[in-house]
Amino acid sequence: AQKVTQAQTEISVVEKEDVTLDCVYETRDTTYYLFWYKQPPSGELVFLIRRNSFDEQNEISGRYSWNFQKSTSSFNFTITASQVVDSAVYFCALSEYKAAGNKLTFGGGTRVLVKP
Amino acid sequence: DADVTQTPRNRITKTGKRIMLECSQTKGHDRMYWYRQDPGLGLRLIYYSFDVKDINKGEISDGYSVSRQAQAKFSLSLESAIPNQTALYFCATSDPGTSENTDTQYFGPGTRLTVL
Repeated sequence: AQKVTQAQTEISVVEKEDVTLDCVYETRDTTYYLFWYKQPPSGELVFLIRRNSFDEQNEISGRYSWNFQKSTSSFNFTITASQVVDSAVYFCALSEYKAAGNKLTFGGGTRVLVKP
Repeated sequence: DADVTQTPRNRITKTGKRIMLECSQTKGHDRMYWYRQDPGLGLRLIYYSFDVKDINKGEISDGYSVSRQAQAKFSLSLESAIPNQTALYFCATSDPGTSENTDTQYFGPGTRLTVL
């Protein structure tokens, strides 16, 4: 069975600090997908990134960056120069590739509080 | 207009009542999902449907049923609501196509359900 662990339940930083969110996953499949979603205080879930298991390139999108390391089964997310608008709960998720379609397994989420 | 809509957005009901939550999408996706979110537990899959004739149970389907009325509509029913079904419910859609974000799930705004 697949599992996603986000060990940090809450992180508090002061604006402009960097913050890194950890995500560790377990899966028996060799082909899978990893995702990060953001849930702001308004409650909706916003898709941030998807990474395929065969693509270990790190990715940067503005102030966001992701570090995928297959060797340690980790897919960590860094927010550089955090802003108050980054305050949200962030979820890491995993789906195993199957011919019949993919189902997401979510981690428990990490709440990020950015103080001005 | 939002691509994935959920109605109602908030609902308070009493134990034993039948409740239906509705989800509609304009993304043209074949695959639709229902999740519930409880504090600290992330999201858990209730039911999923890969097309109108395909309905599958997820991780926590007991006490729930679904109906896929059309490609664009997927309803979740609680036949006899109980207090531990109080949660935030999300509908999601995905596309099994060949684009870069194939099978990435896009979420509706959520329905907050309280069962007294």
